[in-house]
Amino acid sequence: QKEVEQDPGPLSVPEGAIVSLNCTYSNSAFQYFMWYRQYSRKGPELLMYTYSSGNKEDGRFTAQVDKSSKYISLFIRDSQPSDSATYLCAMSTGGSYIPTFGRGTSLIVHP
Amino acid sequence: DADVTQTPRNRITKTGKRIMLECSQTKGHDRMYWYRQDPGLGLRLIYYSFDVKDINKGEISDGYSVSRQAQAKFSLSLESAIPNQTALYFCATAGEGVGSQPQHFGDGTRLSIL
Repeated sequence: QKEVEQDPGPLSVPEGAIVSLNCTYSNSAFQYFMWYRQYSRKGPELLMYTYSSGNKEDGRFTAQVDKSSKYISLFIRDSQPSDSATYLCAMSTGGSYIPTFGRGTSLIVHP
Repeated sequence: DADVTQTPRNRITKTGKRIMLECSQTKGHDRMYWYRQDPGLGLRLIYYSFDVKDINKGEISDGYSVSRQAQAKFSLSLESAIPNQTALYFCATAGEGVGSQPQHFGDGTRLSIL
């Protein structure tokens, strides 16, 4: 079992939908949780960063961490075609600057 | 100018050739990373460096070497390329914010080894 599991998709939704992207993990020592967005032919960009548990909101994006279930989520409200990309979750332990990445979920938002 | 610049963007070469991929950054970050990305496998760490005198192996360092020439420059070499090193390669940097996690990535080098 990989340390970080992420469904590769693709996930196809209509414009305006609420999108939920998820990752599960097995290492209870993870404390830093990140979401990266990667457009085709581009490098990943850090989208959301959360330390420990709880929610974090930034505009249309909400990152949620449930350490008891070892489950993290990224919600996108009012999804737009420009949100079409691959979303990678990543996480690392305290004091480590070496995250473990999920395989990425391909999201397609169609008009 | 991009924060993290990788050269070349694309490279096709033959088995056995020595190849160098270069990365330069304007962020002033101490931490730099080299990753490879393969379809279905996500990002895997090859090497990382936390300052000019610090070089560390990642999970898949065999067949690769690196050089940290300056704070801003971090090069990845394939001493004798083989076809299963065909992949997309990314350089990344990390600063003191966002938990010092990799934050800025280049646009990648698409490497094909025939």
